[in-house]
Amino acid sequence: DGGITQSPKYLFRKEGQNVTLSCEQNLNHDAMYWYRQDPGQGLRLIYYSQIVNDFQKGDIAEGYSVSREKKESFPLTVTSAQKNPTAFYLCASSPVGRFGNQPQHFGDGTRLSIL
Amino acid sequence: AQSVTQLDSHVSVSEGTPVLLRCNYSSSYSPSLFWYVQHPNKGLQLLLKYTSAATLVKGINGFEAEFKKSETSFHLTKPSAHMSDAAEYFCVVMYNNNDMRFGAGTRLTVKP
Repeated sequence: DGGITQSPKYLFRKEGQNVTLSCEQNLNHDAMYWYRQDPGQGLRLIYYSQIVNDFQKGDIAEGYSVSREKKESFPLTVTSAQKNPTAFYLCASSPVGRFGNQPQHFGDGTRLSIL
Repeated sequence: AQSVTQLDSHVSVSEGTPVLLRCNYSSSYSPSLFWYVQHPNKGLQLLLKYTSAATLVKGINGFEAEFKKSETSFHLTKPSAHMSDAAEYFCVVMYNNNDMRFGAGTRLTVKP
């Protein structure tokens, strides 16, 4: 079955440590996205990528970094510069259609907590 | 600035009664509109989408939504709630292929 796989499901970070969240999709989608979800705030966009080797900052990119070396993969690194990383992180992908506005498909998320 | 407002943070209904989750958006033109559902510790699942075809959109699990341009609203309804409908629901507006705005969410509780 096609879908988006996020790993790990739960992740713990120590102070001053960088951690990387994995996101892999086999839907052959060109666009991929990372969101952060906090209680009562909906989803906020961290980074997105429309094509391999290119990505753009979203609304809350500070303290995060990404790479897009392969179409299927869009890992997110939460750096030590992100002072409040505890959240639920969601990865999504979508086709880049001729007419745009294609809905996004989501993974099951990674819950990151501070030790 | 573009915005999406879900008018209720929490809605509680009894099983078998109708569900209404309200959503308003700001826009100077007709964007694409979506409703997603999220169960605990899961990702978001697409319920339905409006993309400038019929104003009444039918989705999965008996949900439907009506686009009202004059009111800039896209409310989600279901005639009869089921226990399995208890979840968080997000109204989402897409203004272009990159700019997807999420409402803050409405938590639906279904009482037996």
